[in-house]
Amino acid sequence: GQQLNQSPQSMFIQEGEDVSMNCTSSSIFNTWLWYKQEPGEGPVLLIALYKAGELTSNGRLTAQFGITRKDSFLNISASIPSDVGIYFCAGGGSNYKLTFGKGTLLTVNP
Amino acid sequence: DAGITQSPRHKVTETGTPVTLRCHQTENHRYMYWYRQDPGHGLRLIHYSYGVKDTDKGEVSDGYSVSRSKTEDFLLTLESATSSQTSVYFCAISLRQSYNEQFFGPGTRLTVL
Repeated sequence: GQQLNQSPQSMFIQEGEDVSMNCTSSSIFNTWLWYKQEPGEGPVLLIALYKAGELTSNGRLTAQFGITRKDSFLNISASIPSDVGIYFCAGGGSNYKLTFGKGTLLTVNP
Repeated sequence: DAGITQSPRHKVTETGTPVTLRCHQTENHRYMYWYRQDPGHGLRLIHYSYGVKDTDKGEVSDGYSVSRSKTEDFLLTLESATSSQTSVYFCAISLRQSYNEQFFGPGTRLTVL
């Protein structure tokens, strides 16, 4: 089946630093999505991307849909303590199903 | 808020017992999904539904069955629970107009002893 490689697996940064994480796939996707999950809760959708090359922002978050349609990245600028959580990428095709990466655990030191 | 609730939120059961988890939505969405989440594996699709009585398997469907007799409810059943099914289970829905955007419920933590 399809697999997504998400990196890094974990990050430990200082408050105020910028963060970058990415996902790559051997398959093409029509949609890339980024989710954040906090302890004890379900994943929350942050950004959805629908076109190759698309760059979309949501506050301090910026995500891009790679030109090859096989990758995506998420940047967080000026991190704050509440950015702590696990960030997941997901790729979607035309079959109404998503394939998820294994997540990036982000820790922010105040 | 996509109006998704899951019940129970926590459950402890014994190996060999049947377990049913319920996902309820209030906004008449067509597509519903069940995932399990385990450390090191991320979210993996168990089953999904694209309408009443219309369901299909995901990548980890063995040992699980589902039913959807009403639009608002999607049930996940473990016929005979095993310790390997200890996990956190999430239900999700997708919106008709943006079908790849899935929204998740709060999850059910299941422990099989």
